[in-house]
Order: sequence, then C-alpha cells, then structure tokens
Amino acid sequence: TQLLEQSPQFLSIQEGENLTVYCNSSSVFSSLQWYRQEPGEGPVLLVTVVTGGEVKKLKRLTFQFGDARKDSSLHITAAQPGDTGLYLCAGRIIQGAQKLVFGQGTRLTINP
Amino acid sequence: GAGVSQSPSNKVTEKGKDVELRCDPISGHTALYWYRQSLGQGLEFLIYFQGNSAPDKSGLPSDRFSAERTGGSVSTLTIQRTQQEDSAVYLCASSPRGQLGGNTIYFGEGSWLTVV
Repeated sequence: TQLLEQSPQFLSIQEGENLTVYCNSSSVFSSLQWYRQEPGEGPVLLVTVVTGGEVKKLKRLTFQFGDARKDSSLHITAAQPGDTGLYLCAGRIIQGAQKLVFGQGTRLTINP
Repeated sequence: GAGVSQSPSNKVTEKGKDVELRCDPISGHTALYWYRQSLGQGLEFLIYFQGNSAPDKSGLPSDRFSAERTGGSVSTLTIQRTQQEDSAVYLCASSPRGQLGGNTIYFGEGSWLTVV
C-alpha cells in the first residue's frame, strides 16, 4: 500500500505547455516536500510546504499544500526541456519526524 | 567533498554473495538515512540513524539487511546472501539535526546494485 499516491506516473508533453502533478494521501502530513531527480543522481529538494493551503512559487513552478494537509500539487507553466526528470513528493506524518515517506514519482518528459 | 559520498557507484554481484555499500555523510550532519529505489520508482525507507540514539530499522525488508554507523559518521549497509530482487539503487542521505539545521535532507548519487 502506497501512503502517498502520485499521478500521473508518466507525463510527456510539448515544450510550452502547462502541467500539474498531484500527490494524494488519506493521512495528514505535518509537512510535505517535492524533489526532482535526474538520471544517475540523488533527489534534490525543490520546496517544503508546512501550512495547510500554503502556496509557494519557484519561477515557473507553483506548489500547493491542501487545506487538510493530505495532498499537494505541483504546477509547471510553459514547460521547458530542462524540466524533464522524476518528480517525487515526500511527507512527514509526525511533526519533527525524520523519516520521510515518498510517493512513487512522476516521470516527466518535455519534448522540444 | 561537500556532498554525501557513496561507494561503489556500481556493483554487480552474483546471487548468494554478500555486498557492502558505504556512505560518507556531509560533515557535521548527525542524521543519516538509507533508502532503496527500484528502477524509475519512488524511494523506500530502509533505516535511519540519529546521533547516538538507537537506529530506526523499521524499513529493512529482511534480516539479510543490516547497517551500522561507526563513530557517528560513515555508514555501511550490508546485504547478505543477495537475491535478484535486491537489485536497485541504494541511496544514502544526511541532514543536520534540530531546528537550526532544518529538515532538509541531502542525498548522495546512490550505489547501483545488480544481482545476477
């Protein structure tokens, strides 16, 4: 049983299009993080959200934490080939807990 | 180096042999984690060390897996009598402890294990 469900698992779109990736759970998280991983490398942290309803922006990336802190979304505007990679959401169930629970990832391909 | 260092980067072993994977965390980081990632998939938690506290071993999939951390720094993940289903990338990560350090986890590049 996957505690964090990501959708879609695979997404291939053309450069310039917009996209949204979802991360859902039936559990409440004290915080949720998004990572991006490129082939042959470890995941790299993009953002941490901690407050229900919180929205954070990183250039063309917008991250949202659901009001109930059970879900999150990542929206990319005007996707570029450099956005290609595996996007992972990860959450902490208990505040201060060091163990991160990861989703299965969304493999994103942006075609020129 | 400045980042988390793992070795070997690639390991091919025969079924039934033992393997050891090494992780050198970022200097000063007291928390160390091992995760496993199957091809293109998400990360599966294996074990977590925090300072001198007893490790959280709740993610180890079987008693063939063990890990130790010597002197609060370098860690070794050992897989005994390897099976083909053990083939995966084993990722190590470290993080500073406490509020000042935040909860950012820094990953190494992983050790790619193939059991043939």
